[in-house]
Parts: sequence; structure tokens; C-alpha cells
Amino acid sequence: QLVLTQPPSASASLGASVNLTCTLSSGHSNYAIAWHQQRPKRGPRYLMKLNSDGAHSRGDGIPHRFSGSGSGAERHLTISSLQSEDEADYYCQTWGTDIPWVFGGGTRLTVL
Amino acid sequence: EMQLLESGGGLQQPGGSLRLSCTASGFTFSNYAMSWVRQAPGKGLEWVSGISGSGGHTSYADSVKGRLIISRDNSKNTLSLQMNSLRAEDTAVYYCAKDETSSQTMMVFDFDLWGQGTEVTVSS
Repeated sequence: QLVLTQPPSASASLGASVNLTCTLSSGHSNYAIAWHQQRPKRGPRYLMKLNSDGAHSRGDGIPHRFSGSGSGAERHLTISSLQSEDEADYYCQTWGTDIPWVFGGGTRLTVL
Repeated sequence: EMQLLESGGGLQQPGGSLRLSCTASGFTFSNYAMSWVRQAPGKGLEWVSGISGSGGHTSYADSVKGRLIISRDNSKNTLSLQMNSLRAEDTAVYYCAKDETSSQTMMVFDFDLWGQGTEVTVSS
């Protein structure tokens, strides 16, 4: 069964960088993932798609401060020059035949 | 600008019904599969149901099969979710989401656009 694992929380200082991780379960390292941001009391916002080779494509209007990396089972979302508005929950998500419901549990990012 | 706008949420008693709607703009609605994804209070995201661009194919999470019905009207750029036999565990904010991959027949679930959500509360 395909499972996405995310640490429940992360924190970093204003202006710094932070790296968020999403780990795909064994045997599923070739799946592409997407990263979504959810600010408090808001709907999710698509950030980017991240392929298994580390190539990524940002959604419309997503700043270059957001970048994706990683290959194999471990994928990363790096946010540089952290701003207060980046404080949010970040979800990774994958898709495939008959597995549309796979979201990670989310990482709550606190900007100090 | 592509947008999704949900409506129709509210308070309903257990066993009751509600109909949610999602109005799309800024893209060719019929070319994309759409889904409903929900978020219970304090919880993460849970996919509920999806429908192909043509409306000919649908899919449901096991937790809602037989109670929720997804449909779409491509002439009105509208996605709907008919919610019957509501349970307390259906209490959540419901979001509609659009596939990034263009297809009238396939559902890929690579979501690239979300609505702002509509809140459903099931309680007596």
C-alpha cells in the first residue's frame, strides 16, 4: 500500500530556509508527487509537481523561493527567505491508478 | 484566471441530505477531471470522489460509496456532490479540486487548482 510520510511539524526563522520532507513507502519511489500549501482557514494551494528524478514544475504564480528536490523515496520542499505568510500546513500528494486518495499527513510549518 | 468556487454547505441532521456545488471559471471545464476532497476539523485532507471530464467515469472512497453521488454539468461549468444519509463523520470542509492533466476520459488526480471550500456540519 502506498503511504506518504511527513513529519508533523517544522520550524525556522524569518528570512531563513527550511526543508520539508515527504517519504514514499517502499516500492513506490518512482511516483511523482505534488506539494500543496494550506494557510490557516484557507483552501489548499498547489505549489509544484516533483518527479522521481528531482525535476519539478511550479504552479502559476508560485515564487521561486519554493523549490523541490530529491529522488527515489525521499522528496523535499525547500522554502528560502522565509516570510510570515509561509506559516502553513504543507501536504504532499501522489496519484496513480486506483490510488487517488493518497495524501501525506501534512507538516505544520511555524515561522519564528 | 482559473477559479473554483464551492457553495451549498451548512448544518444538517444525521440521515439528512445536502447538495454541494462547485462553479469553475478560467479554463475549459469539460477537458478536466474534477474531485471532491474533504478535511474534517483538525485533520488532514481526504479524497472523497472524482469524475472524468466527460462525466462518464466516477470513483468514490469506500467511506462514502452508496451515499454520495458526484456529477457535473459541463454546459454550466458546475461540479456537484449530492450527499445523502449524512453521518456525523461527514462533518468537514469540502473542497473541489481540478486535475492538471487534460483528459475527457481519464482521472489522474494530479490536482493543480483548489476552491476555498464549503463547510458541512452533521449534527442533531
